[in-house]
This record gives sequence, structure tokens and C-alpha cells, in this order.
Amino acid sequence: GNSVTQMEGPVTLSEEAFLTINCTYTATGYPSLFWYVQYPGEGLQLLLKATKADDKGSNKGFEATYRKETTSFHLEKGSVQVSDSAVYFCALSQGRSGGSNYKLTFGKGTLLTVNP
Amino acid sequence: SAVISQKPSRDICQRGTSLTIQCQVDSQVTMMFWYRQQPGQSLTLIATANQGSEATYESGFVIDKFPISRPNLTFSTLTVSNMSPEDSSIYLCSVGFSGGTEAFFGQGTRLTVV
Repeated sequence: GNSVTQMEGPVTLSEEAFLTINCTYTATGYPSLFWYVQYPGEGLQLLLKATKADDKGSNKGFEATYRKETTSFHLEKGSVQVSDSAVYFCALSQGRSGGSNYKLTFGKGTLLTVNP
Repeated sequence: SAVISQKPSRDICQRGTSLTIQCQVDSQVTMMFWYRQQPGQSLTLIATANQGSEATYESGFVIDKFPISRPNLTFSTLTVSNMSPEDSSIYLCSVGFSGGTEAFFGQGTRLTVV
């Protein structure tokens, strides 16, 4: 079955440091890949997505590239801010249409803390 | 996008009792789902809530333990029945729109069973 493995946390960085959170996946076919973020006390929000190989998703300074050859979707940001402190989830969906688009397989989540 | 309201946001319950969690969306959605996030674990899909018919459960989840209703396109409930401490988790409602490519999530319900 499908699975997502992401870097165990917690990750603690100083403001303006470079961030990488690794994510690899196992799936048949061509899944869509997502990064979700959960700020303290809030629900999950979609951060970025990529639906085919070599696509780069980007949002709020975060980027991730869909690498089919390495089955990876690593999250990066060049300069983190205190406001980026949150839990980050890597996820995949198997379908490209219909309801299976929305059925997600998640990684365990990585807690990021950014200190001033 | 969608605004998803879950109630309650948190609860502490006695073992052997049941809790019903509500999910209300501010617009009609095609798909509604329920997830569980156990402490220190990733989110796991419990079931797809089907409007007007029985929910579709994932492996390891059964209707007797997690009955789900979806009477219309904007509302669903998940009941956690005969609770035990192992049911202590965050339960999240998720929705998707026809033709869309991303799922939206509620804030979750943090359940503690004592």
C-alpha cells in the first residue's frame, strides 16, 4: 500500500536559517504530493502541492520538487521566520479525479520551532 | 476553499460512553472524510462519509465503532462508540470539491478518554 516517510522531529532552527524537511513516499502509479502545515491551535492548511513528476510546488517561500526517480518531495525554505513554527505534514493522494483525489496518506509530521 | 467548523473542539469522556462529533461546512461539498490522529502518529483515514448512504470504511475501522452520518452536502457526524483510552486522539473532518485537487480540513476535535 501507499506510505509516506518524513524526517522525524523536532527541528529547531534560528531565524533566517535554511530549512529542509525530507519526505519520501511509496506508491503505485503517479500520486499527487502535498505539504500541509498545522499552526498551533489551528487545523491543517495546504502549503503546496505537485501533481506530476518534476513539478515544483511553492508558497510563502517554501518549495518542494516532485522527484519520481528518488520518490521524494523534500520541503525547503531559504530563510525561516519565527512565524513558520508549526507541524509540517507530507502527504500523497493516489487518484487524479473523483473522490480518491482527497483520500490522503500522511507522514507522521515534523515539528519545527524557529527561535528569534 | 471552505470554512469547516467542528464541534466540540475538545472533550474529556468516560470510558464506555460515546461522543458525537459534528462537521459543518459553509458550502456544498462533494466529498467528506473523517481522519484520526493518534498521539505521536500520522493522520489515518477512517472513512468516507457518503451523502444519503452508508459510509465507506477503511481497513481496520468498522461502522459499529465509528458510525457516520451525512444527511446533506454540508454536514456530517462521526460517533466514537463505547470509548476506551485507546480512542484518545484528534479527529478531523476533511472535504473536497468536485473537480478540485486538494482537501480542506477542520480544526479537529481533541478527545481524551479516561
